[in-house]
Amino acid sequence: EAQVTQNPRYLITVTGKKLTVTCSQNMNHEYMSWYRQDPGLGLRQIYYSMNVEVTDKGDVPEGYKVSRKEKRNFPLILESPSPNQTSLYFCASSLIRGRFTGELFFGEGSRLTVL
Amino acid sequence: RKEVEQDPGPFNVPEGATVAFNCTYSNSASQSFFWYRQDCRKEPKLLMSVYSSGNEDGRFTAQLNRASQYISLLIRDSKLSDSATYLCVVREGYQKVTFGTGTKLQVIP
Repeated sequence: EAQVTQNPRYLITVTGKKLTVTCSQNMNHEYMSWYRQDPGLGLRQIYYSMNVEVTDKGDVPEGYKVSRKEKRNFPLILESPSPNQTSLYFCASSLIRGRFTGELFFGEGSRLTVL
Repeated sequence: RKEVEQDPGPFNVPEGATVAFNCTYSNSASQSFFWYRQDCRKEPKLLMSVYSSGNEDGRFTAQLNRASQYISLLIRDSKLSDSATYLCVVREGYQKVTFGTGTKLQVIP
């Protein structure tokens, strides 16, 4: 089954304790990206990657890091989480075809609370 | 001005009604347009892509107006199961993906 898998789905942590949210896709998609969703603000892009070892900042990259060492995986790293990073996080992937990209396939989301 | 703007609603409509949502975008370089559906705090799922010529999928019709920089979604014969938040998504080539904040639809029996 084609899917994007995120882990953990739910996490409560404390300020400053490093954490990683994993994302894996089995569709051989070139493009992967991370979003956070907050009430009234919608989904905002954190980072994206167009292929292995190619990553770039989205609209809200502060406080986050990513890596793309393998095509299927795109982990989101919070080196020193703060309460303002409490949010619902989504990972997504899509194909790249010429000048255009296909639909985004989303993981089920990771709800993170930083105390 | 937000890059992608939607009326947040909620739109409360009776079953069987026709409802239309609009979405405006500010970047004329935008290339790809989509409507996604999101159920309460679940992942967004593609409802339909939006093509320049307009496209229809069953009860759903999407249209793009590049000159005025807006896209629309029309839902005919609303069902209870259509209750959700509808997200307008705009892509600039490969990189930037911008979401509207969503329009909430509640279909009432």
